[in-house]
Amino acid sequence: AQRVTQPEKLLSVFKGAPVELKCNYSYSGSPELFWYVQYSRQRLQLLLRHISRESIKGFTADLNKGETSFHLKKPFAQEEDSAMYYCALTKTGGSYIPTFGRGTSLIVHP
Amino acid sequence: NAGVTQTPKFRVLKTGQSMTLLCAQDMNHEYMYWYRQDPGMGLRLIHYSVGEGTTAKGEVPDGYNVSRLKKQNFLLGLESAAPSQTSVYFCASSYPGTLAPLHFGNGTRLTVT
Repeated sequence: AQRVTQPEKLLSVFKGAPVELKCNYSYSGSPELFWYVQYSRQRLQLLLRHISRESIKGFTADLNKGETSFHLKKPFAQEEDSAMYYCALTKTGGSYIPTFGRGTSLIVHP
Repeated sequence: NAGVTQTPKFRVLKTGQSMTLLCAQDMNHEYMYWYRQDPGMGLRLIHYSVGEGTTAKGEVPDGYNVSRLKKQNFLLGLESAAPSQTSVYFCASSYPGTLAPLHFGNGTRLTVT
């Protein structure tokens, strides 16, 4: 069975510092990886997915199949980045039901 | 276009009471999901549905039942609420497919005393 691990429950940084939210996965096939974000008092929403290879709000994430990781990075954190971040995996083929990590709470101090 | 709408937004129940949470989506999505969100536990899948009239168990189905009588609605029922079911419940919907993102509702905060 697939598994998504986010080792940090809480990540605290100062404004302008680099940010890396870690996500590791275990899955024997080729996964599709996503990052979702939940800002305070807002609904969960898709931030980015690896297939798009895009940068959203300054965040990027690279799929490293050798290390089975999909870490989320931003070179200069902003206070408005403070939120809960979830990494998710969907199997290729099968039921398409995503598996979520436990989430990392990012706090960016002024 | 409302997206995914959950009702109610808040509810307090006493142990043993029952209730139904309603999720409605207007995006014609095939798949619908119910998750619970607990501190330190992240999002855990309770039940899901891959189409009208079908439901399946997720990771933590015990104590919950669901129904998908109409494509746009997905109901989550608690027959006899327990304090362990105090949580924030999220409904989501999506198209089928590996790359399809989930669209979430605003959540229902349930407290069982």
